[in-house]
Amino acid sequence: DIVMTQSPDSLAVSLGERATIKCKSSQSVLYSSNNKNYLGWYQQKPGQPPKLLIYWASTRESGVPDRFSGSGSGTDFTLTISSLQAEDVAVYYCQQYYSTPQTFGQGTKLEIK
Amino acid sequence: EVQLLESGGGLVQPGGSLRLSCAASGFTFSSYAMSWVRQAPGKGLEWVSGISGSGGSTYYVDSVKGRFTISRDNSKNTLYLQMNSLRAEDTAVYYCAKGNCNGGSCARDYWGQGTLVTVSS
Repeated sequence: DIVMTQSPDSLAVSLGERATIKCKSSQSVLYSSNNKNYLGWYQQKPGQPPKLLIYWASTRESGVPDRFSGSGSGTDFTLTISSLQAEDVAVYYCQQYYSTPQTFGQGTKLEIK
Repeated sequence: EVQLLESGGGLVQPGGSLRLSCAASGFTFSSYAMSWVRQAPGKGLEWVSGISGSGGSTYYVDSVKGRFTISRDNSKNTLYLQMNSLRAEDTAVYYCAKGNCNGGSCARDYWGQGTLVTVSS
């Protein structure tokens, strides 16, 4: 199984500042035949289901604010929130869908400083 | 509007069975892969099982292989998860999630609100 490791486990950022969350996979999730990274990012607020933010590592889902961006390739990925808003307080998860089981990272809890 | 509505959760004794259902609407159900993802109380997300749009391909995490069966009825726009030989560690909220492609290797773009399964004596 591919192990997904996020860092940090928790993060406190001031409003308007940048938040950066890292995700590392135990093996590459880049499929060479189509040059796509099979990596998604999700946001989960308390009492709600997860919401897809980013897929193919860097493609923003429709309706997601452009302050959210994803980058990286192979085994190392980053989710960046360029200017933190109060509504961004949540737990963020990365997930690989390169192979089954389609494993998630352990989650990063983002709070306001 | 895409909607996914799970049902069938509840309290069950260890060793018991439950069948979860997920009624889908607002999209061409047979064109998209579907998955079940669970979340134990206070814990992270765990992918449990997936199925292709046609239902011809199914996938499971090792911890549920041989105990859980995923299926779909494309004529009823419904996804199922038959759960047998339930264990305490299966206690979780179970989410139905839609893939953003037909095959198995997809991100999950829509999620239901979840149904709680509690395995306890």
